[in-house]
Amino acid sequence: KAGVTQTPRYLIKTRGQQVTLSCSPISGHRSVSWYQQTPGQGLQFLFEYFSETQRNKGNFPGRFSGRQFSNSRSEMNVSTLELGDSALYLCASNQWGEETQYFGPGTRLLVL
Amino acid sequence: AQRVTQPEKLLSVFKGAPVELKCNYSYSGSPELFWYVQYSRQRLQLLLRHISRESIKGFTADLNKGETSFHLKKPFAQEEDSVMYYCALRAPGGFKTIFGAGTRLFVKA
Repeated sequence: KAGVTQTPRYLIKTRGQQVTLSCSPISGHRSVSWYQQTPGQGLQFLFEYFSETQRNKGNFPGRFSGRQFSNSRSEMNVSTLELGDSALYLCASNQWGEETQYFGPGTRLLVL
Repeated sequence: AQRVTQPEKLLSVFKGAPVELKCNYSYSGSPELFWYVQYSRQRLQLLLRHISRESIKGFTADLNKGETSFHLKKPFAQEEDSVMYYCALRAPGGFKTIFGAGTRLFVKA
């Protein structure tokens, strides 16, 4: 099976812009999670979707949002970008009832 | 509150020496616990999960519910073990994973 894929892999934006990141889970996986990874804060949970519904959300401002489509693909959006949003954004998928997650390569976002 | 603590940011050992990466957790219930590795600029990869009780690349991890710990151990460290290790907790059906801050293992020749 193909692994979790994320697009784009690299992105440069300026403050105030918005960005949309995409994640395609492993075929058959219906749960998709998003994480932010930074040197200072480590890996922080953003949100998790299952069956097109957000099931849990981390402590991030409302500028961070996401959605999941009927084919389980997911997108996350960050509006009004700030310098501190520069990070590696990781997506992971897992099967329903199976807690092991499989991670994508990440999207590295740089906000200037 | 759910929390995962990895007290060591950096752990340095000599090749062939035993290694133990510490992980303590806080959770009122029966969580699922994992160890992930991250090679430089590569994706997180699952190393171990507590329910499988297996040994991967010589590493083992035992869940100690009394001490709320899930330490990762290897009897003889190898240079290729020099990567970043993350301990993670997931509440079954909770739709959320909490990661520790990570421990960078450095195995010296």
